[in-house]
Amino acid sequence: ETGVTQTPRHLVMGMTNKKSLKCEQHLGHNAMYWYKQSAKKPLELMFVYSLEERVENNSVPSRFSPECPNSSHLFLHLHTLQPEDSALYLCASSQEFSSYEQYFGPGTRLTVT
Amino acid sequence: DQQVKQNSPSLSVQEGRISILNCDYTNSMFDYFLWYKKYPAEGPTFLISISSIKDKNEDGRFTVFLNKSAKHLSLHIVPSQPGDSAVYFCAASARNSGTYKYIFGTGTRLKVLA
Repeated sequence: ETGVTQTPRHLVMGMTNKKSLKCEQHLGHNAMYWYKQSAKKPLELMFVYSLEERVENNSVPSRFSPECPNSSHLFLHLHTLQPEDSALYLCASSQEFSSYEQYFGPGTRLTVT
Repeated sequence: DQQVKQNSPSLSVQEGRISILNCDYTNSMFDYFLWYKKYPAEGPTFLISISSIKDKNEDGRFTVFLNKSAKHLSLHIVPSQPGDSAVYFCAASARNSGTYKYIFGTGTRLKVLA
């Protein structure tokens, strides 16, 4: 595997379910990101981790819980989501948090029913 | 309030002609700009960037122009090819202010007609 991978690619969950999104980067980067892309809205930064420490948390509801066990892996734990949380969730990484370029994974298309 | 705006949700261009994608921003602190391209079922990929100390940056068929006074940047693709059909996002950051996170536009879907 190369680049940034995300699993699953598609997820349908009920409002009472608990699920997790997984991201893995094979680039040796030190910073990882979660973005949300809703229909007809810009990509919204949710969380940033640099060297496994959270450095940005953009007023995201607590029903989204990130976890970064090491610099190669990033998770987004989901529980009691709302239908408006249905979106494409993109993971990205960069060499450092201050690096110019971010590399994106293919995303997880989440549908909350 | 959106700080980065791409007012054209879609654009169709004939193969071989020029594609011009536009992006406007409101925050005068933005000093670094990126364009990303996104194909369906794939993540965005970096295309080209420009720093606010420049007004033009060119890479092959792609040129980005920055007009700081108008707070406007544009991406020119010449000549356009069918493989360029994708969604294009512009993004901006205020790096000199110590803000490394990017603010993205909503994207413009480009269709290049063969």
